[in-house]
Amino acid sequence: AQTVTQSQPEMSVQEAETVTLSCTYDTSENNYYLFWYKQPPSRQMILVIRQEAYKQQNATENRFSVNFQKAAKSFSLKISDSQLGDTAMYFCAFMKKHAGANSKLTFGKGITLSVRP
Amino acid sequence: GAVVSQHPSWVICKSGTSVKIECRSLDFQATTMFWYRQFPKQSLMLMATSNEGSKATYEQGVEKDKFLINHASLTLSTLTVTSAHPEDSSFYICSARRGLAGEDTQYFGPGTRLTVL
Repeated sequence: AQTVTQSQPEMSVQEAETVTLSCTYDTSENNYYLFWYKQPPSRQMILVIRQEAYKQQNATENRFSVNFQKAAKSFSLKISDSQLGDTAMYFCAFMKKHAGANSKLTFGKGITLSVRP
Repeated sequence: GAVVSQHPSWVICKSGTSVKIECRSLDFQATTMFWYRQFPKQSLMLMATSNEGSKATYEQGVEKDKFLINHASLTLSTLTVTSAHPEDSSFYICSARRGLAGEDTQYFGPGTRLTVL
């Protein structure tokens, strides 16, 4: 079974600063995906970024980038130039690749990020 | 692309009645949809996996007869909470899996807040 650990329950960052959210996972699988989802106060889950385990290059999406360390099983999210709209709960998630119709997401507990004006 | 709708967004019902929640993938076909339950400030808890044209797969501890799932088409899955009780009050979220080559990702609906009086 897979586990995803987000050990920091809350973080705060000043607007325009950079913040890094930590995530570690445990799996015996070699082919998998890792995700970061954002859940703002509206509670709509939004995909922030996706990483395939076999790709060594770290994924980036505008101000969001990841530091994927496969050997260490670490998958942190860096948010640059933080904006007020980044205030949300962030979930790290794992999914086995080629799991067919039952490709389930395993979520971490989430971290609440507050961006201060 | 990858838009998932959910209806209703908020429902209040009396104890003992049944409530149906719809989940639709608007711009892609989803052979697999997922139903989650979320309590405030907590992570998502997977309830069941819904596969088009076949019976849903329920997670351990989820009552099949209470939470009826039907996935009648490639764009629609429904969750019916039967004989609802106050303890069923929660936030229910669906997701739809888009399994394109090289991109296997779940996209989420906006959620349904259920209050049982």
